[in-house]
Amino acid sequence: DGGITQSPKYLFRKEGQNVTLSCEQNLNHDAMYWYRQDPGQGLRLIYYSQIVNDFQKGDIAEGYSVSREKKESFPLTVTSAQKNPTAFYLCASSGTGDTQYFGPGTRLTVL
Amino acid sequence: GQNIDQPTEMTATEGAIVQINCTYQTSGFNGLFWYQQHAGEAPTFLSYNVLDGLEEKGRFSSFLSRSKGYSYLLLKELQMKDSASYLCAVRDRRNYGGSQGNLIFGKGTKLSVKP
Repeated sequence: DGGITQSPKYLFRKEGQNVTLSCEQNLNHDAMYWYRQDPGQGLRLIYYSQIVNDFQKGDIAEGYSVSREKKESFPLTVTSAQKNPTAFYLCASSGTGDTQYFGPGTRLTVL
Repeated sequence: GQNIDQPTEMTATEGAIVQINCTYQTSGFNGLFWYQQHAGEAPTFLSYNVLDGLEEKGRFSSFLSRSKGYSYLLLKELQMKDSASYLCAVRDRRNYGGSQGNLIFGKGTKLSVKP
């Protein structure tokens, strides 16, 4: 089955902790993206990667970090520097210049 | 700058037709997407327009006018399962890297279908 998977579905973090959200795709897509969704707001781009070993900041990259060591994987780390991390995080992938397809999302809550 | 506007909420009756509008402002327009998102779930792709006109896909159609910076999503024969948020997203080739550009999303229109 081809698709995008994200884990975990729900994640709880204590203040001051770093957490890493997983995103994997087996669609052979070159580009991958991380978005954040808050109530009443549109999806906002955190980071994106168009090719392995390369990634770029989006609108709201502060307090986040990513890596792209494999084509299939684009993990997102939410660091303690992110002051308001509670949100729904969505990973997406696309072929070059193509439609973006989304994973099921991870809901992060800071306790 | 870039701006995408769509109504916050709409209500319609089962079996009816509803039109969800989206207006946008961008200098490097390179396509418009519509996504459906049920509460707590991921957005799923509905349609893509890059040229003016109507694209029909079953009960859903999407229209684009580039000169007016305007699109709409038309849903026919509404069903209860169509209750969801509908996201309009514009690709701007000037936005970030690459020749294709990344997406800018509107805030979404929450559609409630009543029996």
